[in-house]
Amino acid sequence: KQEVTQIPAALSVPEGENLVLNCSFTDSAIYNLQWFRQDPGKGLTSLLLIQSSQREQTSGRLNASLDKSSGRSTLYIAASQPGDSATYLCAGGGNLSQGGKLIFGQGTELSVKP
Amino acid sequence: GAGVSQSPSNKVTEKGKDVELRCDPISGHTALYWYRQSLGQGLEFLIYFQGNSAPDKSGLPSDRFSAERTGGSVSTLTIQRTQQEDSAVYLCASSFFDSTDEQYFGPGTRLTVT
Repeated sequence: KQEVTQIPAALSVPEGENLVLNCSFTDSAIYNLQWFRQDPGKGLTSLLLIQSSQREQTSGRLNASLDKSSGRSTLYIAASQPGDSATYLCAGGGNLSQGGKLIFGQGTELSVKP
Repeated sequence: GAGVSQSPSNKVTEKGKDVELRCDPISGHTALYWYRQSLGQGLEFLIYFQGNSAPDKSGLPSDRFSAERTGGSVSTLTIQRTQQEDSAVYLCASSFFDSTDEQYFGPGTRLTVT
């Protein structure tokens, strides 16, 4: 059974700092891994999707990596801004035989101080 | 184009009443998912639709929960005889073809059972 863990649960950094959010998963048969952002009282916004055949994806100041052998993914945020403050969730997707669900971590609550 | 929409955005109901939650996926998306987000449990998968059929309904917590999808588009999640533990935010997501594609989430329906 896939389990996803995110560390740290909360993180506070000064504006401009580069930071890394960590995500680990127990089943290396993961098909893809998706990073989301959730603002308070809002739904989830997809940030990056990494397929199992890929090692990383980049979008603007965000870079996500995937290492299936170690069961880890990281989300790197460069030059953080106060507008980056939100909860960041990672989720592992199984293949079709494993069903259609995403298994979510508990999230990292990020606060970027001006 | 338009994103995933959900209605109502908020629903307050009395214990024992039935409720219906609606999801309109992104036009052309074949796959549709329901998740539930609560304080104690994080984000949990409920059910996955491929077209009008549900190949994975393993996350439905009890037989009080049911869902259907018609015309390969709109989906309704029904909770019968609501209990206080059903209080949560119910999120719907859709993806283009199947569970291996990127999932896009709606804003959610906040359900409060009094």
